[in-house]
Amino acid sequence: SAVISQKPSRDICQRGTSLTIQCQVDSQVTMMFWYRQQPGQSLTLIATANQGSEATYESGFVIDKFPISRPNLTFSTLTVSNMSPEDSSIYLCSDGGLNTEAFFGQGTRLTVV
Amino acid sequence: KNEVEQSPQNLTAQEGEFITINCSYSVGISALHWLQQHPGGGIVSLFMLSSGKKKHGRLIATINIQEKHSSLHITASHPRDSAVYICAALKNTGGFKTIFGAGTRLFVKA
Repeated sequence: SAVISQKPSRDICQRGTSLTIQCQVDSQVTMMFWYRQQPGQSLTLIATANQGSEATYESGFVIDKFPISRPNLTFSTLTVSNMSPEDSSIYLCSDGGLNTEAFFGQGTRLTVV
Repeated sequence: KNEVEQSPQNLTAQEGEFITINCSYSVGISALHWLQQHPGGGIVSLFMLSSGKKKHGRLIATINIQEKHSSLHITASHPRDSAVYICAALKNTGGFKTIFGAGTRLFVKA
């Protein structure tokens, strides 16, 4: 089973600033997934991150707002840019793909004030 | 109507009770996950099912592909089982995508 270390676990940020969330996997994985969970809601996929290519974003999410890096097969970052209170959510990374076990990071609870 | 529906939305149980959480889906899937989310936000994958039944400790998950229905059972529930339980269907029609249920918030009283 994979272990995914995600940090920070929580942060309180000022509006207009940016926060970068990191996920480190203890084994090489082809795809990593970034999710957002708004208060009281279920998970929504933001984007799929592949190593060596640009991330694939879901409808409603754009690269300028949520830039993603995937420099190697064990690491990825998600940046939440120019934050507003509406970005207050839990952000999660996962290595789960098609027909495979999914392992999640511990989540980053972001509050924008 | 959501493609993945969970019930109940909220559930309060007494310690020791047998608990069932249900998940129905309306799309073709290749597999279904049951996830557990604790108050801090972290998620643990409990099961991945494509048919039949799986058991891990006090947890049992079943899936009926024909009826498009899955259940998660907790035997001898304990306060530490209090969490949000989410089913996630790996949809394989119209492109591969994971569809998440809204979650069931379980509170087990001592």
